[in-house]
Amino acid sequence: EPEVTQTPSHQVTQMGQEVILRCVPISNHLYFYWYRQILGQKVEFLVSFYNNEISEKSEIFDDQFSVERPDGSNFTLKIRSTKLEDSAMYFCASGGGGQSYEQYFGPGTRLTVT
Amino acid sequence: AQSVTQLGSHVSVSEGALVLLRCNYSSSVPPYLFWYVQYPNQGLQLLLKYTSAATLVKGINGFEAEFKKSETSFHLTKPSAHMSDAAEYFCAVRRNTGFQKLVFGTGTRLLVSP
Repeated sequence: EPEVTQTPSHQVTQMGQEVILRCVPISNHLYFYWYRQILGQKVEFLVSFYNNEISEKSEIFDDQFSVERPDGSNFTLKIRSTKLEDSAMYFCASGGGGQSYEQYFGPGTRLTVT
Repeated sequence: AQSVTQLGSHVSVSEGALVLLRCNYSSSVPPYLFWYVQYPNQGLQLLLKYTSAATLVKGINGFEAEFKKSETSFHLTKPSAHMSDAAEYFCAVRRNTGFQKLVFGTGTRLLVSP
């Protein structure tokens, strides 16, 4: 069964450093998302991406964040200058077209900023 | 705007007992509703979804949920709990058009005792 994959599973970085979180969505999906979950809190939407552009973003997704689909398979989230409060689990999700309304989530990348 | 409220951050049941996890939604337009399960250190797995077809929806692992518009509820139930059901459960809502973001509740941790 196709699944969303994410790498790395855990990343530790120092405050102020740039990180890139990588995702490989399900191959025939057209819509891509990033969510995050700070430890013990609910899952929050960051950004959605369709047709090579951002379709919606939350107020969390400020100028330090960017997304890219550099090739036909990868979908990346870049955090330019990490802060302590960026420590969270980051989930990538993808969704298909047609009558499927589901978003399929990857296993997440745990980002720890020290 | 859409939101969901999950009553009870923790629910404890005995193995074999009925599981009831509550979710109430708020939406200015007809919603699509979802339940996701998160096992420790894992991603989000879709349990079931309501997308305006049948109001009683059945999902994986014996779970089901009923959409009640008059009560703005989408409670998750399972007749008989198993130890393996112990996990965090998230209710989520989104608009019924396009591929909109999911808005998650704060989650309910289900504890199952022998």
